[in-house]
Amino acid sequence: QKEVEQNSGPLSVPEGAIASLNCTYSDRGSQSFFWYRQYSGKSPELIMFIYSNGDKEDGRFTAQLNKASQYVSLLIRDSQPSDSATYLCAIQGGKLIFGQGTELSVKP
Amino acid sequence: EAQVTQNPRYLITVTGKKLTVTCSQNMNHEYMSWYRQDPGLGLRQIYYSMNVEVTDKGDVPEGYKVSRKEKRNFPLILESPSPNQTSLYFCASSFGGDEKLFFGSGTQLSVL
Repeated sequence: QKEVEQNSGPLSVPEGAIASLNCTYSDRGSQSFFWYRQYSGKSPELIMFIYSNGDKEDGRFTAQLNKASQYVSLLIRDSQPSDSATYLCAIQGGKLIFGQGTELSVKP
Repeated sequence: EAQVTQNPRYLITVTGKKLTVTCSQNMNHEYMSWYRQDPGLGLRQIYYSMNVEVTDKGDVPEGYKVSRKEKRNFPLILESPSPNQTSLYFCASSFGGDEKLFFGSGTQLSVL
């Protein structure tokens, strides 16, 4: 089992829909959870972080953490074509580990 | 402007020819790290540094060297590059190792 696992996609959603990106992890001692967005040919940039169980909202983005089930998800409401990118989850336990990323495509 | 500066942006070289990729940050960050990104494998850590003169191996350190003589600089050295080191490389920094990472713009390396 990979330490941090994401569906590679591509995930395709129509403009205005909700995009749901998921990430599972194996280290139960993980403390910090991050979502990075990476546009094609660019470097990753942090868009959300969450430390506690539950939901954290920031604009159109919501991060959800369930430590008991060992998953973290990112919801993007009212998806826009500009949201088309690869989304990387990163989990901080003893070290920071990145998932392989999920490619999201938002169709106009 | 706060940034992590990596150079060069693109590099084509031949097997065995030593090369250095430079990384510099202007945010007074303690923590710096190098990653390589390959399709389907995500970002994998090569080396990291918690402070000046303190470096440690990441998940894929073989074939790479680093040094941290100054807080702002963290160069990545390939003493004898091989084709399996063809990859996209990112330098990143943060205040602490468990905080938001700031990434450089990346170096696309091709080893022929």
